[in-house]
Amino acid sequence: EPEVTQTPSHQVTQMGQEVILRCVPISNHLYFYWYRQILGQKVEFLVSFYNNEISEKSEIFDDQFSVERPDGSNFTLKIRSTKLEDSAMYFCASIPGGGTDTQYFGPGTRLTVL
Amino acid sequence: AQTVTQSQPEMSVQEAETVTLSCTYDTSENNYYLFWYKQPPSRQMILVIRQEAYKQQNATENRFSVNFQKAAKSFSLKISDSQLGDTAMYFCAFMKYTDKLIFGTGTRLQVFP
Repeated sequence: EPEVTQTPSHQVTQMGQEVILRCVPISNHLYFYWYRQILGQKVEFLVSFYNNEISEKSEIFDDQFSVERPDGSNFTLKIRSTKLEDSAMYFCASIPGGGTDTQYFGPGTRLTVL
Repeated sequence: AQTVTQSQPEMSVQEAETVTLSCTYDTSENNYYLFWYKQPPSRQMILVIRQEAYKQQNATENRFSVNFQKAAKSFSLKISDSQLGDTAMYFCAFMKYTDKLIFGTGTRLQVFP
């Protein structure tokens, strides 16, 4: 069964450094999402992406964040200058659209900012 | 704006027993989806069950079933014959067509032998 994949599984970085989190959505899916979950808290929406542009972004998704779909398979989340409070689990999700609207999640990337 | 409320931070149940997790939501939309996701200690988000709002029939997936009350905006999850592997965090979530998921704060379920 096709699945969403994410790399790396765990990233440790120093405050102020740039990180890129990578996701490979399921191949025929058209809508893509990033979510964040700080340890012990609920899952929060960051951004949605469709037709090569951002559909919606949350208040969390400020100028430090950007997303890109550089080719037909990868979907990346970049954090330009990480802060301590960016430490969280980051999930990528995708849906095919066309009435099939279950979001399939990747396994997540655990980001630790020191 | 839509909101999702899970009022039970923690629940426990004995193996083989039945447990019900509560969820309420608020929306002015008529067409939407509701989901229950399971998050085990690995922190992977695993879909448990999904309900389309236009369907009156409650969704069922093996030991998991929902009680969907559209007028009351209630969406509870019933787990029958609980197993040790059901121990996890359970999140209720709301979604409009192709829109973002809005999650509740979760219920931590512990299944005891």
